[in-house]
Amino acid sequence: SQQGEEDPQALSIQEGENATMNCSYKTSINNLQWYRQNSGRGLVHLILIRSNEREKHSGRLRVTLDTSKKSSSLLITASRAADTASYFCATVNAGNMLTFGGGTRLMVKP
Amino acid sequence: DTGVSQNPRHKITKRGQNVTFRCDPISEHNRLYWYRQTLGQGPEFLTYFQNEAQLEKSRLLSDRFSAERPKGSFSTLEIQRTEQGDSAMYLCASSLPGRNTEAFFGQGTRLTVV
Repeated sequence: SQQGEEDPQALSIQEGENATMNCSYKTSINNLQWYRQNSGRGLVHLILIRSNEREKHSGRLRVTLDTSKKSSSLLITASRAADTASYFCATVNAGNMLTFGGGTRLMVKP
Repeated sequence: DTGVSQNPRHKITKRGQNVTFRCDPISEHNRLYWYRQTLGQGPEFLTYFQNEAQLEKSRLLSDRFSAERPKGSFSTLEIQRTEQGDSAMYLCASSLPGRNTEAFFGQGTRLTVV
């Protein structure tokens, strides 16, 4: 079973535009993480936001977390063709279990 | 390379055969996770170790699946009597102890059951 649900499932934008992906989850968490996966490859960690944090930045990435709504968003600004990948949110519970959502497939057109 | 290593990278097997995959985590990482991923889906949790102790196992995992982590270092995932539905990418990840640590993933083992 999967804890998180990403929205949208697929997103297609032009290079230079911003991309926003949303994640909703069901149970209480220690932290929420976002990962990126290029086709057929392993997952790469992007950013971690703790349950007591509301916003975090890393380069062109901005993540928000609303624990009252059990939701998070990932914003990629000034997208590049190289950002084309699948993006997954993952929640970590008190038992340190890492559970993934279904992902958003992002395509950035040059 | 000091990342998470998985072997083999690809495995083709006939239905009914047993297969075993290996994962070597990053040293000092006491947590180790196994996931299964099919095309277009997110990684599905299979099992989780802290050191040599298997702390969680997915209820979706049938008795044909077993994982071990002797001595708390490398781990093996065995699938007995493989079925075509077992065809997937099997991913391993490891992380340091602590409440807020990121997981590092291997490149996965792609299993095809024919």
